[in-house]
Amino acid sequence: DAGVIQSPRHEVTEMGQEVTLRCKPISGHNSLFWYRQTMMRGLELLIYFNNNVPIDDSGMPEDRFSAKMPNASFSTLKIQPSEPRDSAVYFCASSFTGASYGYTFGSGTRLTVV
Amino acid sequence: ELKVEQNPLFLSMQEGKNYTIYCNYSTTSDRLYWYRQDPGKSLESLFVLLSNGAVKQEGRLMASLDTKARLSTLHITAAVHDLSATYFCAAFDSGTYKYIFGTGTRLKVLA
Repeated sequence: DAGVIQSPRHEVTEMGQEVTLRCKPISGHNSLFWYRQTMMRGLELLIYFNNNVPIDDSGMPEDRFSAKMPNASFSTLKIQPSEPRDSAVYFCASSFTGASYGYTFGSGTRLTVV
Repeated sequence: ELKVEQNPLFLSMQEGKNYTIYCNYSTTSDRLYWYRQDPGKSLESLFVLLSNGAVKQEGRLMASLDTKARLSTLHITAAVHDLSATYFCAAFDSGTYKYIFGTGTRLKVLA
């Protein structure tokens, strides 16, 4: 298994531009999580999906952030318009609900908004 | 609402020394996970602890769980430089089906 796959690995964009981050979870996992990590705020859960349905989006900071999971093998996190304070590492993680193991994290996308 | 606290936040230790990282959680949880994150890398799973008294060991790291005290510990024996990383604990919240992460402990082992 290739694990959780995120793209791109690095993204540099100008303030005001739209940014789309992508995630392919592990096949068979039915829960998907988007996290943001910064030095100041640590690891923050933004949103999670179960069986492709958003369950909890209380961590999404603003309306500029949106996430979708059109099928079991793909999810996107979109920021429009982007701002410098959105600069962070964004992780996607997946798991199987009810399983005794935890999350498997992707390699992350390092976003820099200038 | 389940809350998870780790301490210390930062830990600088000499090679060869022993130390313990503590993870307290506020309400009942039946699963506790430890992760390691190297600088610039993703989170890598280390241990899962599923029952009271559970102990897992790998190399110089040993994790344990006391569900009555709502406490998990990660003990480091005879630290080596390669153990320098940030360690996170995460407790499972059965009400929300989410793992709640601690703030992380940034460990630096000095030669």
